[in-house]
Amino acid sequence: DAGVIQSPRHEVTEMGQEVTLRCKPISGHNSLFWYRQTMMRGLELLIYFNNNVPIDDSGMPEDRFSAKMPNASFSTLKIQPSEPRDSAVYFCASKDSPNEKLFFGSGTQLSVL
Amino acid sequence: QKEVEQNSGPLSVPEGAIASLNCTYSDRGSQSFFWYRQYSGKSPELIMFIYSNGDKEDGRFTAQLNKASQYVSLLIRDSQPSDSATYLCAVPSGGSYIPTFGRGTSLIVHP
Repeated sequence: DAGVIQSPRHEVTEMGQEVTLRCKPISGHNSLFWYRQTMMRGLELLIYFNNNVPIDDSGMPEDRFSAKMPNASFSTLKIQPSEPRDSAVYFCASKDSPNEKLFFGSGTQLSVL
Repeated sequence: QKEVEQNSGPLSVPEGAIASLNCTYSDRGSQSFFWYRQYSGKSPELIMFIYSNGDKEDGRFTAQLNKASQYVSLLIRDSQPSDSATYLCAVPSGGSYIPTFGRGTSLIVHP
C-alpha cells in the first residue's frame, strides 16, 4: 500500500483565494482525520470522519473551513477565503477500527501571502 | 479541555547517552498512550504505545507509564544522531480513541 496520499505537497496562494487540499486514505481504513500543525499551537485536530461521516468538526477554526468525504477513498479540506493566519502544514491521517495507530500522509505546506 | 503537556526543549544529549522525554496529561480516564516521532519536514510516525502502568521495552526504546501521577515518559538508550527529531506524546481522552497531541519535545543527539 502506498500509505496516505496528500496533494498538493506545497501550496502558495494569495489572501482571499480558495484552497483545496486532498487526501486519499489507506485502503480499508474507516477513519480519516485532518490535522493542522504550527509552531505556536502544535498538532491540532480539525475534523474526523468515521465511515465517511463527519463525527466531530469542533476543531474547525471557522466557517471558512469545510471538509468533505464523498467516498471511502477521498477527502477534501477547503478554505475559502484563505487568510495569512491559515499558513501551516495540514496533515491527513487514517486508521482502521479498533486499531488506534494513526498513519499520517506527507502533509501539505500551505502559505497564504 | 483535555491537555497534554510536554517540554518543548530542545533536549540535547551526547551520542550513546540515555535521552528521557516526559509528558503529562490531564484526563484521568485516559487508557492508552502513544509516542510519535517526527523528523524535520516529515510526518509523525508511531514508535511506541503503552496501556498499563509500568515499563514497556522495544529495542532501545522504553515507555514508562504512571497513571496515578498522570505522566508517561519515553527513554531512548544508546542515543544516536539519527534519533534527532521531535517526539510527540498523544493521549486519547477516556472513552474516545481520538488522541490529543502534545506540542512535542525536540531532541538533538550530538556526536
